[in-house]
Amino acid sequence: QQQVKQSPQSLIVQKGGISIINCAYENTAFDYFPWYQQFPGKGPALLIAIRPDVSEKKEGRFTISFNKSAKQFSLHIMDSQPGDSATYFCAASTGNQFYFGTGTSLTVIP
Amino acid sequence: DSGVTQTPKHLITATGQRVTLRCSPRSGDLSVYWYQQSLDQGLQFLIQYYNGEERAKGNILERFSAQQFPDLHSELNLSSLELGDSALYFCASSVDGWPSYNEQFFGPGTRLTVL
Repeated sequence: QQQVKQSPQSLIVQKGGISIINCAYENTAFDYFPWYQQFPGKGPALLIAIRPDVSEKKEGRFTISFNKSAKQFSLHIMDSQPGDSATYFCAASTGNQFYFGTGTSLTVIP
Repeated sequence: DSGVTQTPKHLITATGQRVTLRCSPRSGDLSVYWYQQSLDQGLQFLIQYYNGEERAKGNILERFSAQQFPDLHSELNLSSLELGDSALYFCASSVDGWPSYNEQFFGPGTRLTVL
């Protein structure tokens, strides 16, 4: 059973556009929601993370929107750039159990 | 470069064999995590060690075991290997222990191929 459901599986966006990736979870014990970025041949790297006491967190062009009642959270990448082309994973954690989404392959077309 | 090192980079072995993957965490990090990444299962958390002690267990098979040594490096042992064990194995480290809400820094991974 997939603890964190991520969509879409792949995404193609024009340069300058907005990329949106969505995740949903069921376990209300999750209290930490990071997003990871992974380039081919590399390990995942933390992009941005949020705790459930806030509804939005922004770091540069990257924003997490969090809806606790709907048990959903999403990553928005503003002004998407070709260098953002990578696989993005959402994750949810209780602090001692870590669950990842299945990943979204983002391609930003110049 | 995350500062986490993993060896070997690639490993090819046969079914039924046993292999050991090695991880050195970032300097100062006390926690080590192991993950398996496969095409059909995605990224799966296997196990966490903190300062030499097992702290959390995820979807780790009984054929797999891990340990963290006094110098904080960790090894993941995979035995009685099956074709389905072919995957990328990542090690990550973080400064804190349990519960862990700090950033995990991932190594470059070890690609295991079981023939």
